[in-house]
Amino acid sequence: DAGITQSPRYKITETGRQVTLMCHQTWSHSYMFWYRQDLGHGLRLIYYSAAADITDKGEVPDGYVVSRSKTENFPLTLESATRSQTSVYFCASSTGTGEVGYTFGSGTRLTVV
Amino acid sequence: GESVGLHLPTLSVQEGDNSIINCAYSNSASDYFIWYKQESGKGPQFIIDIRSNMDKRQGQRVTVLLNKTVKHLSLQIAATQPGDSAVYFCAEGFGGYSTLTFGKGTMLLVSP
Repeated sequence: DAGITQSPRYKITETGRQVTLMCHQTWSHSYMFWYRQDLGHGLRLIYYSAAADITDKGEVPDGYVVSRSKTENFPLTLESATRSQTSVYFCASSTGTGEVGYTFGSGTRLTVV
Repeated sequence: GESVGLHLPTLSVQEGDNSIINCAYSNSASDYFIWYKQESGKGPQFIIDIRSNMDKRQGQRVTVLLNKTVKHLSLQIAATQPGDSAVYFCAEGFGGYSTLTFGKGTMLLVSP
């Protein structure tokens, strides 16, 4: 199905473990984004990508790594998970031209214990 | 599921009323503004957008008003329905393309 898909939907991991959140879009949108959403903070940008092999930091990049070897995929990796990274993570994509509104995935709820 | 609405400003209305949700944006250079709706357990969904060269834009049952003088954005929802209950975010951006900055959101509760 066309759209933007995040996996897993829910994840529980232990402190110190590496975890990767997946994001896949079928529109060939140039731009992709990762946001985290926390009570009291709203949506905060972690990383974004303007095209394959082009990534840049957002507001809260520390502790996260991204890659974009293919246009359609934009995985987010927590190299050594901490409890402060417990959050809901949203991936989004955009054409980046004209109307620049994002289309969001359904989110991944990550709990670090 | 997790509620992102806790601690948010809340607007409670009756079904059929008109709702007005307000947003103060931060960057006077922003030239593009969007309203998103987020239902519990789902990702934000695009509602309507407006460019800085406009003061008003209308969609289906929704109107966005932009006041650049005071950096204020509002979303008007006509004949509010229970299905409109959600958290509403404004977002701003500038330049030919840029990342969007989101407000913290307002929860709209619609009673039947």
